[in-house]
Amino acid sequence: AQSVTQPDIHITVSEGASLELRCNYSYGATPYLFWYVQSPGQGLQLLLKYFSGDTLVQGIKGFEAEFKRSQSSFNLRKPSVHWSDAAEYFCAVGVDPSYDKVIFGPGTSLSVIP
Amino acid sequence: ETGVTQSPTHLIKTRGQQVTLRCSSQSGHNTVSWYQQALGQGPQFIFQYYREEENGRGNFPPRFSGLQFPNYSSELNVNALELDDSALYLCASSSPRTEGDTQYFGPGTRLTVL
Repeated sequence: AQSVTQPDIHITVSEGASLELRCNYSYGATPYLFWYVQSPGQGLQLLLKYFSGDTLVQGIKGFEAEFKRSQSSFNLRKPSVHWSDAAEYFCAVGVDPSYDKVIFGPGTSLSVIP
Repeated sequence: ETGVTQSPTHLIKTRGQQVTLRCSSQSGHNTVSWYQQALGQGPQFIFQYYREEENGRGNFPPRFSGLQFPNYSSELNVNALELDDSALYLCASSSPRTEGDTQYFGPGTRLTVL
């Protein structure tokens, strides 16, 4: 069965520093991969998604993620973090685009130091 | 174009009671999915409705049921509430499913079971 792990429960970075959030998945075939962000009191917002094609995916808010099949990873990156990026980040994997089998990771909480 | 809305925002119930949560989909979306997000965890897929029919279900007991109406709004009903049902309940809507489709999440309903 497919699963998603996010090894870092909590990360703290300084404003302006670079960021990388790790995500590893377990699935036999090429999965559909997503990164979502959740700010306090708000619903989930899709940052980016990978279905096929170029393994480096650009998203909103300056985020990007790279799919590495050999490592079963889909890490999220941002070159320069802003204080408003402080939130909970969820990696998710789906086995088809119909969304009835999307599995979310446990999340990584990001704090940003001014 | 309005986003996904959910009501109520917060709800407190006692064990054994029944609850109904509501979701209004984004305009033009005919698919809605419901998720349960326990504190400190990622969302877990409950079920999905497509054109008023259930279209996929996660690992939740039958006391979790749903409806989708002709205007594509949706309800989540939970009977015989248990303490572990305390969570944030999220709904997400999407347009007709094609590869690359995107779910739009509402802000959620926070349910507390005492």
